[in-house]
Amino acid sequence: DAGITQSPRHKVTETGTPVTLRCHQTENHRYMYWYRQDPGHGLRLIHYSYGVKDTDKGEVSDGYSVSRSKTEDFLLTLESATSSQTSVYFCAISESYRLGDKNIQYFGAGTRLSVL
Amino acid sequence: DAKTTQPTSMDCAEGRAANLPCNHSTISGNEYVYWYRQIHSQGPQYIIHGLKNNETNEMASLIITEDRKSSTLILPHATLRDTAVYYCIVSNYKLTFGKGTLLTVNP
Repeated sequence: DAGITQSPRHKVTETGTPVTLRCHQTENHRYMYWYRQDPGHGLRLIHYSYGVKDTDKGEVSDGYSVSRSKTEDFLLTLESATSSQTSVYFCAISESYRLGDKNIQYFGAGTRLSVL
Repeated sequence: DAKTTQPTSMDCAEGRAANLPCNHSTISGNEYVYWYRQIHSQGPQYIIHGLKNNETNEMASLIITEDRKSSTLILPHATLRDTAVYYCIVSNYKLTFGKGTLLTVNP
């Protein structure tokens, strides 16, 4: 399995509080991603990073910010959590953004977030 | 990205081969076919991918038709632990997960 660690694995928080999820990798892959998964929507890309301090928005980025100060760490922050952000969050890594013969996304185990 | 069509669910007996179909009739020449699976409450797991040729690895085989409009993922000897949602994805730059096929392996 790819060396991806997500923390925390479970979190319950209250509406309006800030929340930070962490993704740590030991593979030295350049690209890192944050997805959320909700019933009826599949996995949706929130943000991704293509290098240290280089990030870009995905399809559902509103309400989320990210940071990447080191190759191995990619943080997802909910500045003021809302109930609509209750979801399972997955981090993924890949060597390249452009898929191809040698570039595959590997996923972490997920963080289950409940916003009450 | 090309759209994919997969059956909603399939059953397979333990020890038998599981053949999961995927239609992708609008696939373009530079798009790969990827298969992932997601076991309940876990992160998606990469299985296999291919462009034109059939591929095999330790987990599965991927058969792509000559016109590339459809493919089949084959798990040669399904076990109970293979029960999962299987996603067929056609893309050359990003992963878009649809609803997939829920494969249930029965004892």
